[in-house]
Amino acid sequence: GAVVSQHPSWVICKSGTSVKIECRSLDFQATTMFWYRQFPKQSLMLMATSNEGSKATYEQGVEKDKFLINHASLTLSTLTVTSAHPEDSSFYICSAQGQVAKNIQYFGAGTRLSVL
Amino acid sequence: AQSVTQLGSHVSVSEGALVLLRCNYSSSVPPYLFWYVQYPNQGLQLLLKYTSAATLVKGINGFEAEFKKSETSFHLTKPSAHMSDAAEYFCAVSGAGGTSYGKLTFGQGTILTVHP
Repeated sequence: GAVVSQHPSWVICKSGTSVKIECRSLDFQATTMFWYRQFPKQSLMLMATSNEGSKATYEQGVEKDKFLINHASLTLSTLTVTSAHPEDSSFYICSAQGQVAKNIQYFGAGTRLSVL
Repeated sequence: AQSVTQLGSHVSVSEGALVLLRCNYSSSVPPYLFWYVQYPNQGLQLLLKYTSAATLVKGINGFEAEFKKSETSFHLTKPSAHMSDAAEYFCAVSGAGGTSYGKLTFGQGTILTVHP
């Protein structure tokens, strides 16, 4: 149980385009989803927290207009990187937290974004 | 405020030897503590968690960790390393209440290498 699917696993795009990443909880309802960014050989940095049906809460220094987060249902959250630039290239990982085990996050496999 | 320090960015052991990965935390509220493992280009998999029950926590793949409040530590151990244990390991903390509830703060990670 507690499977989180993230899609796509790898995306290459041109500078200036937008990219959408999906995060789905497959076998549980995720009341909260988290989006992280991981640079090579570094730890995960929390970008934002999203609760179903409400606006995401962004961490300090994260541009909310750059990284649009939508949590439209209890099983789906999306992260859209708008007008992507090479410096946005990174590994993006989502996690989901359910209603039962509220203090445990289950992670997706991550999306590697390369902006040319 | 909460933080995690993992001592040693790289640990190398021989197959069959003891694995010890160190983690110290700081938290202004009672902590929940976690160890995650990450294989290359993958998301994080939960190894084990401490959520204020037994201080010695057993996880998957033969790993265990002991919560020591007096030392603010949560070191990860495994009696006998296997080649398949080679990966990066992250210690993480979240608060048991307050504004940090459910929000993970990760350590810098420790890369475990296992030699034949």
